[in-house]
Formats: sequence, structure tokens, C-alpha cells
Amino acid sequence: AQSVTQLDSQVPVFEEAPVELRCNYSSSVSVYLFWYVQYPNQGLQLLLKYLSGSTLVKGINGFEAEFNKSQTSFHLRKPSVHISDTAEYFCAVREVNQGGKLIFGQGTELSVKP
Amino acid sequence: DTEVTQTPKHLVMGMTNKKSLKCEQHMGHRAMYWYKQKAKKPPELMFVYSYEKLSINESVPSRFSPECPNSSLLNLHLHALQPEDSALYLCASSPQGTGGAFFGQGTRLTVV
Repeated sequence: AQSVTQLDSQVPVFEEAPVELRCNYSSSVSVYLFWYVQYPNQGLQLLLKYLSGSTLVKGINGFEAEFNKSQTSFHLRKPSVHISDTAEYFCAVREVNQGGKLIFGQGTELSVKP
Repeated sequence: DTEVTQTPKHLVMGMTNKKSLKCEQHMGHRAMYWYKQKAKKPPELMFVYSYEKLSINESVPSRFSPECPNSSLLNLHLHALQPEDSALYLCASSPQGTGGAFFGQGTRLTVV
């Protein structure tokens, strides 16, 4: 069975500072990896995805993530955050050839302070 | 058009009411999903439709009844709900294969 662990439930950071949101996964088969962002009272927006190939993936809003197979991690990074990045961030995995069922982590609340 | 549209945005219903949530996408995606999300929690999968056929039911109570009339539409029929069913209900769609899911803005449901 798959599982996703987001290591930090809350990450406070000052504006223009770098940030890393950590995600580890467990699966006995190959997976696809995703990061979603959810702003208050809204749905989820896909930030980026890793399917195969280059382990460094660039997404929208200046975010990027690096897939590390040996450490089963997929950490999200941004070199300089803005107030508008304040939101909930979810890491998710999906087994290759397993329909579309996404398994989500518990989420990380990113709070950017001025 | 890269949107998944959900209606209504908000819904308040009594425990004896029957209501329906609607979801529409025009991206040609053949997989569509219903998720339930409680406050401060990740979305939980309820149902998956693939090519208009129900492929996954995550042991959801029968008071929730999904329907996929065609490849663009997904409904969730609600009957005799309980207050604990109050949540944000999210619809999503994805292309077959490797794509990520696109989510709608959700319907905020309150059962009174």
C-alpha cells in the first residue's frame, strides 16, 4: 500500500525567504508524484508533477521539486516566497497503471509573513 | 478550456432533503472523481468514473449516489445526509495515462 508523509504540518516563513516543504512516500511499485496548492475556500491547483525523466521538476508560480528515488522523497522548494504563497500544500502520489487514484499527504500550511 | 466547474458553490440542506451536486469539464478527460474534504484535512477519494463507468467506490454510504450521464458531466445525488457529512465536495478530472487531476472549486455542503 502507498502512503505519503508530509513532515511539517505548518511552515512559517518571512517574505522573500526561501522555503522547502518536505514530502516522503512509501510504495512497492513505481509512482507518479504531484504537488497541489489550495488557497482558502478554493479547490486544489496542480503546481507540478513528476512522471519520469529529469528528477528536477519546475512548476507554476516559481516552485520546483526534486525527486529522490533512493530517499523516496519529493520536496518542494521556492527560492523567494511572497505573501500570496500563503496556502495549504498537498503532496500526492499515484501508482503507475493504477487508474487515477491519488493518495494525499496530510498537508503543510505555509504561512508567509511580511 | 482547462476548468472543472462545480455547482452550486454553497449548499445548505436538511437531513430529509434530496439534492444534487453537479460537475462539468470540457477538456476531453475520460476519468472523473468525487472527493470529500473536511476542514484542515486532505481530500478523501469517494468515487472514480472511467469512460462513464464507475470504477472505484471507496465504500461510500449509499446516501451518496454518483451518476455520470456523459463524458463531460458528473453528478452526486444526496439523500438523508447526516450533519457529519458537512464538508467541501470536490470534483476532479484527469486524462487517461499520466496526467495529474484538475480540480473544481468545490461545493461547500452544510447539513442541518
